[in-house]
Amino acid sequence: GQQLNQSPQSMFIQEGEDVSMNCTSSSIFNTWLWYKQDPGEGPVLLIALYKAGELTSNGRLTAQFGITRKDSFLNISASIPSDVGIYFCAGQLRAIQGAQKLVFGQGTRLTINP
Amino acid sequence: NAGVTQTPKFRILKIGQSMTLQCAQDMNHNYMYWYRQDPGMGLKLIYYSVGAGITDKGEVPNGYNVSRSTTEDFPLRLELAAPSQTSVYFCASSYGAGEQFFGPGTRLTVL
Repeated sequence: GQQLNQSPQSMFIQEGEDVSMNCTSSSIFNTWLWYKQDPGEGPVLLIALYKAGELTSNGRLTAQFGITRKDSFLNISASIPSDVGIYFCAGQLRAIQGAQKLVFGQGTRLTINP
Repeated sequence: NAGVTQTPKFRILKIGQSMTLQCAQDMNHNYMYWYRQDPGMGLKLIYYSVGAGITDKGEVPNGYNVSRSTTEDFPLRLELAAPSQTSVYFCASSYGAGEQFFGPGTRLTVL
């Protein structure tokens, strides 16, 4: 099946630093999504990207949908303690009757030193 | 609204036992999904449903069964539990092709 390769697997940064993570795939996706997961909880959607080349921001988060439709990146600027968590990229595949099957990357674990 | 709720939060099973993981949503979403998340990995789709009586397999359906008799509920059945099914199970729902909202998960250990 499809696989997404997400890197880095983990990051240890100082508060206030910028963060960059990316996701690549051998397959084309029509939609890329970025999620954050806090301990003991389900993932929460941060940003959705629908068009190749699209650059979208959500506060301090910026994500881009690669031109080839096989990659995406997420940047977090001026990190703060509540940014700690695991970030997942996901590609979206159309299924029966318009349902959307998600293929997830392995995640990037972000740790922030105050 | 409670959103997506899952029960139980934790469960320990012995090899060969069966159980049903419950999922309910009160957002009147028509689509519902079951994922599993193994340690250090991303989520993988087990089954999904586009409405009452309509289900389809995801990426890792073996060892699981689902049914959807109401819009609100989407239980996941494990028959003959195996250690390989030790994982955290997440249920999600969406309205059509829109954003999927995830429940808090059920942590299952099979010994």
